[in-house]
Amino acid sequence: AQRVTQPEKLLSVFKGAPVELKCNYSYSGSPELFWYVQYSRQRLQLLLRHISRESIKGFTADLNKGETSFHLKKPFAQEEDSAMYYCALLGSSNTGKLIFGQGTTLQVKP
Amino acid sequence: KAGVTQTPRYLIKTRGQQVTLSCSPISGHRSVSWYQQTPGQGLQFLFEYFSETQRNKGNFPGRFSGRQFSNSRSEMNVSTLELGDSALYLCASRGQGRETQYFGPGTRLLVL
Repeated sequence: AQRVTQPEKLLSVFKGAPVELKCNYSYSGSPELFWYVQYSRQRLQLLLRHISRESIKGFTADLNKGETSFHLKKPFAQEEDSAMYYCALLGSSNTGKLIFGQGTTLQVKP
Repeated sequence: KAGVTQTPRYLIKTRGQQVTLSCSPISGHRSVSWYQQTPGQGLQFLFEYFSETQRNKGNFPGRFSGRQFSNSRSEMNVSTLELGDSALYLCASRGQGRETQYFGPGTRLLVL
């Protein structure tokens, strides 16, 4: 079964602290994984996707096929990073079906 | 380019009624997917349309249906509304292949 698990509903850190949002997936084949972010009162937007290997707003994520993980990391959290973060898996090829995790709320305290 | 737009943004209906939601994709995008977002179930895939054909369907009852027009605009319809259908309905558009999906602001449906 294709599944995405985000074990933490809420992650609360202080400004300047490192952040790691966990994401584990279940997928037979080569997965395509994404992190989406939803700021308060804004639409869901792409943060990064693993094939691009970009760093956006200081966030990075590495696909670990052995551990079936795609954790999102940032070395120094900023208050403006406070938002809901969703890890998502693109299902089989030639389809737009995204399978989302339950989301993690990141709260960055001053 | 203008982003994905959805109308209406808010809707209040009563049980048993039906509702139609509309989504206009980014210009040039031919794929439109619909998702339901609720606090309990999170984001769940409803269906995807590409070039007016339904290409994929999630695990939702037949009361949920959709269609896509030749200009790629899409509508979803929910008949015989139930209280549990109260949710934020999101649509997303993408170009071809495995391009990134871009989401609209959503339509918030409240069923009383």
